[in-house]
Amino acid sequence: DADVTQTPRNRITKTGKRIMLECSQTKGHDRMYWYRQDPGLGLRLIYYSFDVKDINKGEISDGYSVSRQAQAKFSLSLESAIPNQTALYFCATSDRINEQFFGPGTRLTVL
Amino acid sequence: GDSVTQMEGPVTLSEEAFLTINCTYTATGYPSLFWYVQYPGEGLQLLLKATKADDKGSNKGFEATYRKETTSFHLEKGSVQVSDSAVYFCALIMEGSNYKLTFGKGTLLTVNP
Repeated sequence: DADVTQTPRNRITKTGKRIMLECSQTKGHDRMYWYRQDPGLGLRLIYYSFDVKDINKGEISDGYSVSRQAQAKFSLSLESAIPNQTALYFCATSDRINEQFFGPGTRLTVL
Repeated sequence: GDSVTQMEGPVTLSEEAFLTINCTYTATGYPSLFWYVQYPGEGLQLLLKATKADDKGSNKGFEATYRKETTSFHLEKGSVQVSDSAVYFCALIMEGSNYKLTFGKGTLLTVNP
């Protein structure tokens, strides 16, 4: 079984809809991250969390919110989706030794 | 702020060719450096890393040496295979940055038989 899972893997939605992307991990890591990937731009950090009570904005948090429901779960929400949020979204986890482990990604299309 | 610049792709090679993907960084201190690989349809996987100057990271025939004097961490492989076709990302973490990865834009490598 994968250590970091993301649901859904693909989602098509319409402008203005609320959508939630979910991430679960079985690695027992405290730290979790949400990134978005756009062609030619690499990965950019949206939000990160170092434990259940610690949530921090990344470089591109506008238009997004997150919830850390448990050590193993970290959800990303788009309150009112817009087309320029069409991207590939990755969740990642890490322990204190720098290496981050990535989920398989969610491909989101906003029409 | 901290940043990573890597050579733009796409890079297309024949099987068994030599690979170099250049990566340079800008940072206020001494970061840890990483190469991640993303195979088609998958998430990123750590390929190799180096945490201090002159360290050499290696894995699966790939190597990269942390060069403080040139602020570089170039990825090399002596003989690429078709299965190496992927997107490669150079990244850094600064100590004290709460372990936030800063990524380069990625380089698409295609290896033809």
